[in-house]
Amino acid sequence: DAKTTQPPSMDCAEGRAANLPCNHSTISGNEYVYWYRQIHSQGPQYIIHGLKNNETNEMASLIITEDRKSSTLILPHATLRDTAVYYCIVRVVRSNFGNEKLTFGTGTRLTIIP
Amino acid sequence: ETGVTQTPRHLVMGMTNKKSLKCEQHLGHNAMYWYKQSAKKPLELMFVYNFKEQTENNSVPSRFSPECPNSSHLFLHLHTLQPEDSALYLCASSQVHLAGYEQYFGPGTRLTVT
Repeated sequence: DAKTTQPPSMDCAEGRAANLPCNHSTISGNEYVYWYRQIHSQGPQYIIHGLKNNETNEMASLIITEDRKSSTLILPHATLRDTAVYYCIVRVVRSNFGNEKLTFGTGTRLTIIP
Repeated sequence: ETGVTQTPRHLVMGMTNKKSLKCEQHLGHNAMYWYKQSAKKPLELMFVYNFKEQTENNSVPSRFSPECPNSSHLFLHLHTLQPEDSALYLCASSQVHLAGYEQYFGPGTRLTVT
């Protein structure tokens, strides 16, 4: 699976949009971009994933560049509960039931400032 | 109960003890995972089970022994652990399908080996 690069930490004011970048310049054509977050001492929580097109759900939006070498997770109106470590992961989704692992890096520690 | 549950939430054990961690998923998923998260380190995948069959053992020492009696339950049997095994142990489950899938994590068991 391709390696990702994320800034170690970011701050965002409460109520503003939080934009978390991720570089994945070695991504392959069959690799998806996944985002998870982990609030302190809890299990990671799935946020969103995409392949080529931009995606939006009730939690966030995912913007993937046309060359797919980078992406941005957008939390449109950040709240204090969004303070967490955010992980960007790229991985192949296989059609069989073989290797289905997620490889977590060190992520971005996002702090929402009141 | 909904989602993925783990018991106990906290466990302190001596190096000569034998204990077991339990995970249960109520989502109808067909794959389950054990991860380890040590202090200030990324999550590490330990084991993967698809349809109750172990499909991955990520070079985990034999003092950790997984068991998956059915697709809803996953155990991690612990014996003769070392202090460096102290960590947060996370269970996850997923429903594997072609278009991609997300893993749902439990709250974790905080293990301290004395």
